[in-house]
Amino acid sequence: TQLLEQSPQFLSIQEGENLTVYCNSSSVFSSLQWYRQEPGEGPVLLVTVVTGGEVKKLKRLTFQFGDARKDSSLHITAAQPGDTGLYLCAGRSYNTDKLIFGTGTRLQVFP
Amino acid sequence: KAGVTQTPRYLIKTRGQQVTLSCSPISGHRSVSWYQQTPGQGLQFLFEYFSETQRNKGNFPGRFSGRQFSNSRSEMNVSTLELGDSALYLCASSFGLAGPTQYFGPGTRLTVT
Repeated sequence: TQLLEQSPQFLSIQEGENLTVYCNSSSVFSSLQWYRQEPGEGPVLLVTVVTGGEVKKLKRLTFQFGDARKDSSLHITAAQPGDTGLYLCAGRSYNTDKLIFGTGTRLQVFP
Repeated sequence: KAGVTQTPRYLIKTRGQQVTLSCSPISGHRSVSWYQQTPGQGLQFLFEYFSETQRNKGNFPGRFSGRQFSNSRSEMNVSTLELGDSALYLCASSFGLAGPTQYFGPGTRLTVT
């Protein structure tokens, strides 16, 4: 069974702090996506990375896909209360084409 | 462009009943995938439809089924509901089969009592 482990599971920080969320697997993925989900809503796509070593920036968010396409990280600079939510990584399996979701990181940013 | 829409948004059913959920993908998208999200198991893949054919399936019992229509709209059916089927059911659409970018709907919150 393919697994995508995210760490940390929970993160509670003050506004203005920086943070990094990790998404790790022993499997290789053809692409990887990051989503943010708010209570009672569906996940909203933040970014898709497809090339090993790729780095994408979205304002204060920086996403990196590992060289071996097995892991990814999300770094948020100067976090704001609006960043609060559940962050999910999801990898497209090379073998099965299924989208495998990570275990999730719940972020709370306090003003 | 309108996003993915799901109906109904909330549903309460009794154990043993059956339920049908509906999903309308983004215009032009031909692939629709369904997921179940629970606090304990997280987001789990149910199945993916493309051009009215099921192309991929997750590890769920046969009580979970779906179909896709010629206009790419999709329905998911769960028969003989169990308490453990209470979850947020999410639909996602993409342009192609197993597309690298999926867009999710708001979900249907199903509660089984």
